[in-house]
Amino acid sequence: GNSVTQMEGPVTLSEEAFLTINCTYTATGYPSLFWYVQYPGEGLQLLLKATKADDKGSNKGFEATYRKETTSFHLEKGSVQVSDSAVYFCALSDNNDMRFGAGTRLTVKP
Amino acid sequence: ETGVTQSPTHLIKTRGQQVTLRCSSQSGHNTVSWYQQALGQGPQFIFQYYREEENGRGNFPPRFSGLQFPNYSSELNVNALELDDSALYLCASSFGRSNYGYTFGSGTRLTVV
Repeated sequence: GNSVTQMEGPVTLSEEAFLTINCTYTATGYPSLFWYVQYPGEGLQLLLKATKADDKGSNKGFEATYRKETTSFHLEKGSVQVSDSAVYFCALSDNNDMRFGAGTRLTVKP
Repeated sequence: ETGVTQSPTHLIKTRGQQVTLRCSSQSGHNTVSWYQQALGQGPQFIFQYYREEENGRGNFPPRFSGLQFPNYSSELNVNALELDDSALYLCASSFGRSNYGYTFGSGTRLTVV
């Protein structure tokens, strides 16, 4: 079945550092791919998405490119801020339901 | 445009009891999905409702059941609660296919003692 694997955390960075959170997926068809962010005590918020191969999703300085050849959708940000501290989830959807990775906790220190 | 609202926000139940969690979908959305998120883990798909019919189910036992109403709001019912049912229960709404992404509520934190 469909599944998502993302790098284990936690990840701790200094402010203005470069961020990469790896995500790979397994799917039988052509899923859409997503990154969601969860702040403490809250539900998940959609950060960005890509619906087909080679699409790049971007939002708030975060980017991820749908790579069909490597079945990956890695999340990147050039310069993280303290306010980016949260748990990040990679997810895929194949029209029926959405499947999530285990999440990666990011802590950014001043 | 209102978002997804869930009630209650917190709940404590005793093992063996039954619980009902509620969700109001975002205006214009006709699909509701329920997820269980254990502490430190990703959300696990319970089931999805589309136009009042179950439209897919994850690996959860039959004691997890649901409903969707004509206004697209939804309920999640769990019978015979077990300690392992303690988790954050998330409701997400969407318009039709999930490829467009979901809008999540803030969740209901259920503790079974």
